[in-house]
Amino acid sequence: GQNIDQPTEMTATEGAIVQINCTYQTSGFNGLFWYQQHAGEAPTFLSYNVLDGLEEKGRFSSFLSRSKGYSYLLLKELQMKDSASYLCAVPDISGSARQLTFGSGTQLTVLP
Amino acid sequence: ETGVTQTPRHLVMGMTNKKSLKCEQHLGHNAMYWYKQSAKKPLELMFVYSLEERVENNSVPSRFSPECPNSSHLFLHLHTLQPEDSALYLCASSQVIGETNTGELFFGEGSRLTVL
Repeated sequence: GQNIDQPTEMTATEGAIVQINCTYQTSGFNGLFWYQQHAGEAPTFLSYNVLDGLEEKGRFSSFLSRSKGYSYLLLKELQMKDSASYLCAVPDISGSARQLTFGSGTQLTVLP
Repeated sequence: ETGVTQTPRHLVMGMTNKKSLKCEQHLGHNAMYWYKQSAKKPLELMFVYSLEERVENNSVPSRFSPECPNSSHLFLHLHTLQPEDSALYLCASSQVIGETNTGELFFGEGSRLTVL
């Protein structure tokens, strides 16, 4: 089975840097996704990591360590619009390979 | 239209009603999904249609029944629902490559369901 853990809530200040952690336990591994979801809107794709290391995409970076079952999303130069829920997800390859299992999400609040 | 579109965006129904949610994807993907999102809970996969195969979460009650007439359209038929079924129902699509590559999910805006 799959198990994904991430903090429920985080608060940070505009202009700061915040790191959102995700730990996972899976029977196999086929990459890890991060999604952003603003209140009342659909989740949108942020990143996909399948190899260890840091991948940078503008103000957002995502890190993966497969040996530790650990990932984080790093948000730099925070803006008010970054207030949202951040979802960590891993593909389930134990049965059907065609589905993602999501964590509960981390609600980030950016304060002025 | 582009992306994944869902209708209706909001639905209020009684427990004895029968209604359907509709989803259409304009991305040429070969897999479509229904997810349920309840407050403070993870996104819960309900059904997958991928490469003409249907996969379902065994915990989903039979009062939810999906229909996928083709690769671009997906329905969720609702009947005799319970108040605890009130949630946001999200449709998504992706391009599946082989057995293990799910590809990125593209979500619709969701259908907010309230069961009275």
